[in-house]
Amino acid sequence: NAGVTQTPKFQVLKTGQSMTLQCAQDMNHEYMSWYRQDPGMGLRLIHYSVGAGITDQGEVPNGYNVSRSTTEDFPLRLLSAAPSQTSVYFCASKAQRGGGTGELFFGEGSRLTVL
Amino acid sequence: LAKTTQPISMDSYEGQEVNITCSHNNIATNDYITWYQQFPSQGPRFIIQGYKTKVTNEVASLFIPADRKSSTLSLPRVSLSDTAVYYCLVGELNWGGYQKVTFGTGTKLQVIP
Repeated sequence: NAGVTQTPKFQVLKTGQSMTLQCAQDMNHEYMSWYRQDPGMGLRLIHYSVGAGITDQGEVPNGYNVSRSTTEDFPLRLLSAAPSQTSVYFCASKAQRGGGTGELFFGEGSRLTVL
Repeated sequence: LAKTTQPISMDSYEGQEVNITCSHNNIATNDYITWYQQFPSQGPRFIIQGYKTKVTNEVASLFIPADRKSSTLSLPRVSLSDTAVYYCLVGELNWGGYQKVTFGTGTKLQVIP
């Protein structure tokens, strides 16, 4: 199993450009989420999804859109990039049912720079 | 999720035991306590989870007092490779209260040679 896969790993954008960060998981997890991490800070939740067709906002949703058309994929869209969105983005997933620890599995991160 | 409070940073020498305490005064009956570890340039990874008393695995131990208002992550004989940020999370495991999983700023542990 590949786990959680994020692409691209690095991206440079100009202010106002749009792009999509891709996230895919092969563990059949219902729950998926996006976080951003800025220097010296913890992870802040952007958006999350508890299943296909269901999404909700996290702590810092402004400037980002998400959709969940399949269980496997949860893309994060920046419609008009701003320098304040320069950050490292992490996608995570977890099983939502069936007991267990509720462990979150993270991707390797996508480093985005907006000039 | 219950709000948690951790020290911002800690230093330790190699070979020492490190204890990181997390306060969670408003923990709910159904909440579990989970710790994650994050190395630089990587996503966090799960290290241990508990509900009450003591839990031990190959990486760490987790001590939870009877009132569950705090917990202590214990790392035995740390090495340089344990330098990381450690996050304490409190919440239900599955449907219900654990959907909005927030991390906070964590504790940055620096292990010194």
